[in-house]
Amino acid sequence: QSVLTQPPSASGTPGQGVTISCSGSSSNIGSNFVYWYQQLPGTAPKLLIYRNNQRPAGVPDRFSGSKSGTSASLAISGLRSEDEADYYCAAWDDSLSGVVFGGGTKLTVL
Amino acid sequence: EVQLVESGGGLVQPGRSLRLSCAASGFTFDDYAMHWVRQAPGKGLEWVSGINWNSGSIGYADSVKGRFTISRDNAKNSLYLQMNSLRAEDTALYFCAKALIVVDHYGMGVWGQGTTVTVSS
Repeated sequence: QSVLTQPPSASGTPGQGVTISCSGSSSNIGSNFVYWYQQLPGTAPKLLIYRNNQRPAGVPDRFSGSKSGTSASLAISGLRSEDEADYYCAAWDDSLSGVVFGGGTKLTVL
Repeated sequence: EVQLVESGGGLVQPGRSLRLSCAASGFTFDDYAMHWVRQAPGKGLEWVSGINWNSGSIGYADSVKGRFTISRDNAKNSLYLQMNSLRAEDTALYFCAKALIVVDHYGMGVWGQGTTVTVSS
C-alpha cells in the first residue's frame, strides 16, 4: 500500500489528452513539492516534472503538472505511442522523513 | 555527459551483507544530494535512502532503517549503500539517482541503470 495513491492504469488514443491523478495527505503533497517520473519498459525512471509544475530541459511541453491541496495531477496532451510507460508521482513526507512514491500508473496508448 | 554507474549487486544469502557503489561523472558531485531507489521485480519504485552534499543530512525508509547505511566520498565522486542483515524482501533493482538541481534535494534528475540484488538461500 503506497502512501501516495495513483490509479493503476490509464489509457488514451494517439492525439488525445490524458490526466493521471496522485492523492496524498497534508504531510506530503499538502506541504511539499510533487515530482513526476516516467519509466519506459526496461529502463530507468526519468524525471518529467519537478516542484509541482516545472519541466526539466528536454521534456516536451505536452507534459504538465499541477497541484491542489493534497492532490496532484500529470496531464499529457497529444498522446504518442512512445508515451506508453509507467508514471510515478513522488513527494517528501514530513511525518515519515522520507521520499514517498505513488504505486504507479501504467499508461496504454491504444 | 552526466553519468551514474552502479555496481556491487549480486546473489546473497539472507542475513548476509552487500555494499553497493555508484560512480558519478560529468558533474560537480559534491554540490548535489544523492539517493538510492529500488524496484522489486514487477513492482513500483521505493525510495531507500538519501544524503545531502556534505553527509550532514541523511534519511532512510522505515523498511531499511537500522540495516542499511548510505555514505558518500566526494573526493572519489562516489555514493555507497552498505546493506546488512539482508532479507528476501530486499531483492530488487537498486538505482542511484542525483538531485536535478542543487537547491532541491528530492527531484531525482539523473538515474543510473541500476544493479540487481537478489537475496536467496
